[in-house]
Amino acid sequence: EPEVTQTPSHQVTQMGQEVILRCVPISNHLYFYWYRQILGQKVEFLVSFYNNEISEKSEIFDDQFSVERPDGSNFTLKIRSTKLEDSAMYFCASSAQPSYNEQFFGPGTRLTVL
Amino acid sequence: DQQVKQNSPSLSVQEGRISILNCDYTNSMFDYFLWYKKYPAEGPTFLISISSIKDKNEDGRFTVFLNKSAKHLSLHIVPSQPGDSAVYFCAASAGNNNDMRFGAGTRLTVKP
Repeated sequence: EPEVTQTPSHQVTQMGQEVILRCVPISNHLYFYWYRQILGQKVEFLVSFYNNEISEKSEIFDDQFSVERPDGSNFTLKIRSTKLEDSAMYFCASSAQPSYNEQFFGPGTRLTVL
Repeated sequence: DQQVKQNSPSLSVQEGRISILNCDYTNSMFDYFLWYKKYPAEGPTFLISISSIKDKNEDGRFTVFLNKSAKHLSLHIVPSQPGDSAVYFCAASAGNNNDMRFGAGTRLTVKP
């Protein structure tokens, strides 16, 4: 069964450093998403991406964040200058249709900012 | 942001009995609701959904009920099985908005 994959599974970085989280969505999906879950809190929407551009973003997704689909398979989330509060689990998701169809989530990347 | 609320952080149920997970929402623009299940070290997995034109959707042991006037939905699992033990997230979206809002989750434990 096709699945969303994410790398790395765990990323440790120093505050102020740039990180890039990588995702490979399901191959025939057109809509891509990033979410995060701070430990013990709820899953929060960050951004959705369709047709090579951001379609929606939340208030969390500020200028420190960017997304890119550099080739036909990868979907990346970049945090330019990480802060302690960026420590969270970051989930990538993809769907064949907009959000009213189910999204398929990856296993997540745990980001730890020291 | 408390547009989707799951007020019970945990629920414990005996195997074979019914599990009822509750979710409330405040945004009347939400018209599509989903339940996700999450095991440790895995991403959320889609379980079942319902659109606002329905009040019930059933899939095997899982049934979701929607009460639009009360802005409330619930997930019923019957009979509950130990493998159902996981965190369950309620989520909602509005129209073609890709911004899906999640509740805080309820950890379900099904005891053998």
